[in-house]
Amino acid sequence: NAGVTQTPKFRILKIGQSMTLQCTQDMNHNYMYWYRQDPGMGLKLIYYSVGAGITDKGEVPNGYNVSRSTTEDFPLRLELAAPSQTSVYFCASGDRGPLYGYTFGSGTRLTVV
Amino acid sequence: EDQVTQSPEALRLQEGESSSLNCSYTVSGLRGLFWYRQDPGKGPEFLFTLYSAGEEKEKERLKATLTKKESFLHITAPKPEDSATYLCAVFSGGYQKVTFGTGTKLQVIP
Repeated sequence: NAGVTQTPKFRILKIGQSMTLQCTQDMNHNYMYWYRQDPGMGLKLIYYSVGAGITDKGEVPNGYNVSRSTTEDFPLRLELAAPSQTSVYFCASGDRGPLYGYTFGSGTRLTVV
Repeated sequence: EDQVTQSPEALRLQEGESSSLNCSYTVSGLRGLFWYRQDPGKGPEFLFTLYSAGEEKEKERLKATLTKKESFLHITAPKPEDSATYLCAVFSGGYQKVTFGTGTKLQVIP
């Protein structure tokens, strides 16, 4: 059981470039989330999905987009990267929502220069 | 707006020296309070959900308790492998937003 797999682990982008952060889970979880973690700050919710074909904005969605075409995959798209998007990004999944705990991936460390 | 404050920011303990981590919260109707453990370079790992004041949960050397204003994570006779950052978070319902604290970084010295 791989759990939640994120790729890549590290990436350096130039300002204005675009990229997709990949997230796949093999636990058949309906709920999936994207968080960013900045030094000295708590995890912030970017986007979430409660099932295939259903996505919604979280706290800090600007500059990002998501899609959920299958239960397993929940990619995060960065368009026109900015230095403010330098962060560690975590994908998480859950069986029945927040109260039952999330399984997190190991993260993608993104630097925008 | 939900708020979570964790203290101390960092804690250094000798192996076997018990202590507690604090999580103070402000929410409009608590549905659940969570504790996660995060090792360096990894994602958080779920430990507990507490639902109402007076509730307690245990896992190995960890015991989490909850009051109407705060939660404590008690660590009894810690070992070096307990070294990690411990995150507290709250959920008050509505959409899927969980509010996380900034964590307490625990170091247990042999």
